[in-house]
Amino acid sequence: DAKTTQPPSMDCAEGRAANLPCNHSTISGNEYVYWYRQIHSQGPQYIIHGLKNNETNEMASLIITEDRKSSTLILPHATLRDTAVYYCIVRVASSGSARQLTFGSGTQLTVLP
Amino acid sequence: EAGVAQSPRYKIIEKRQSVAFWCNPISGHATLYWYQQILGQGPKLLIQFQNNGVVDDSQLPKDRFSAERLKGVDSTLKIQPAKLEDSAVYLCASSPWGREWGGDNEQFFGPGTRLTVL
Repeated sequence: DAKTTQPPSMDCAEGRAANLPCNHSTISGNEYVYWYRQIHSQGPQYIIHGLKNNETNEMASLIITEDRKSSTLILPHATLRDTAVYYCIVRVASSGSARQLTFGSGTQLTVLP
Repeated sequence: EAGVAQSPRYKIIEKRQSVAFWCNPISGHATLYWYQQILGQGPKLLIQFQNNGVVDDSQLPKDRFSAERLKGVDSTLKIQPAKLEDSAVYLCASSPWGREWGGDNEQFFGPGTRLTVL
C-alpha cells in the first residue's frame, strides 16, 4: 500500500470547517483513500473513503485531486467532539484476505471553543 | 448492535509476568484483528484471523506473543513473558468477510486494553 504524509497537528475553531490534508504521491490506480479517526481513549473509527470522485457522507466530505496525489478531508462544522487523531490510509479495496489497515502517525486535530 | 468488547480495560504487570487480553467481536463478523498501539503512534497490526484460522501473523513477536480464536468467535491475546516495551494499548477489531470495503463493511474497533509493564 502507498504511504501517506499528514501534518502532525492542526487547530480549528468550533463551528468552522476543518480541512485535513493528506499527500499520497505514490498511490496506484487501484488504491483507494480511506480516512479513520481516533478519539482519545477509543479505538479508531471509519469516516469515509474514495477512489477518484469526491465523496460525502453524514460525517465528512473527501476531496481527491485530479491526479490523485493528494486529498483533503473536510469536517464542515467542527465541534469539540471532533477533536481526535485523523488517519489517512491508502489501500486496495479488496474483499480478499489481505484486508488490513496500515496506520501512520496521523494528524491531531484540536477543535477550539 | 453491540460493538466490539474487550477486557480488561487496564492492566498493570511487572516485567517477566504473563498477561492475557480477551476480545468479543461484533456478531457475524468473520474477520478479527489484534493491533498494538504504542503511545504517540498509529496502531500496528499484530495478527489477523479469518474465522478460527490465521491469515497473517507476520508482525506478531512469536517468541512471547500468542493468540487464538478457537471457535471462530472470541479471541485471546497472550504475552509471556512481558517486557517493558510491550507497554501499549492493545486494540481488537472485527469486520465482515467477503464484501467490498467501505461503510458498514469496514473494520470496527473495540476500546482497547491499556497495558503498563513496570
